[in-house]
Amino acid sequence: NAGVTQTPKFQVLKTGQSMTLQCAQDMNHNSMYWYRQDPGMGLRLIYYSASEGTTDKGEVPNGYNVSRLNKREFSLRLESAAPSQTSVYFCASSNGPNSYGYTFGSGTRLTVV
Amino acid sequence: SQQGEEDPQALSIQEGENATMNCSYKTSINNLQWYRQNSGRGLVHLILIRSNEREKHSGRLRVTLDTSKKSSSLLITASRAADTASYFCATGKDSGSARQLTFGSGTQLTVLP
Repeated sequence: NAGVTQTPKFQVLKTGQSMTLQCAQDMNHNSMYWYRQDPGMGLRLIYYSASEGTTDKGEVPNGYNVSRLNKREFSLRLESAAPSQTSVYFCASSNGPNSYGYTFGSGTRLTVV
Repeated sequence: SQQGEEDPQALSIQEGENATMNCSYKTSINNLQWYRQNSGRGLVHLILIRSNEREKHSGRLRVTLDTSKKSSSLLITASRAADTASYFCATGKDSGSARQLTFGSGTQLTVLP
């Protein structure tokens, strides 16, 4: 089915470890986003990519890096995981200037111990 | 900082009743959107209302927008058990070439059979 695919679905890391969350969309969308969701906090934007080759910081970028590998793929990297990064991470995409609705992936539940 | 704030935080109703959720926001917007999130899943786009619109319908959903009061409401008529989910409002504002959405913390709706 068309949509946004995130891997892995679950991950446990030790403090200081690194990992990359993968996201791919097959809808030919221009823009892609990474959000984190914490209880009672709603979703907060970490980084976004308006189009292939560009990335920008969102509301909570510290401790993260991103790569827009091509039009389909947008990865999120934690270089040195901290317990405060325990969260559910969502990738989303949208079709740029003429479309406002986002399509979300099913999320990655990350626990840092 | 979060732009939209939903009210109430939690709502429990009987199947067949109507459910009303409210959203307030702080700054000017281009559009306001509502999303649904089932437990353990990603968000699903429900409806978008533009800043120059006052009311919009989609099936059993009715959304209103009052830009003078910076508020919106989502009405779900004739609710069903399958409507049990968290509902989020998101405000949209252009930022360069990207459409950015800012999410509220959500309303947890429980529809009892």
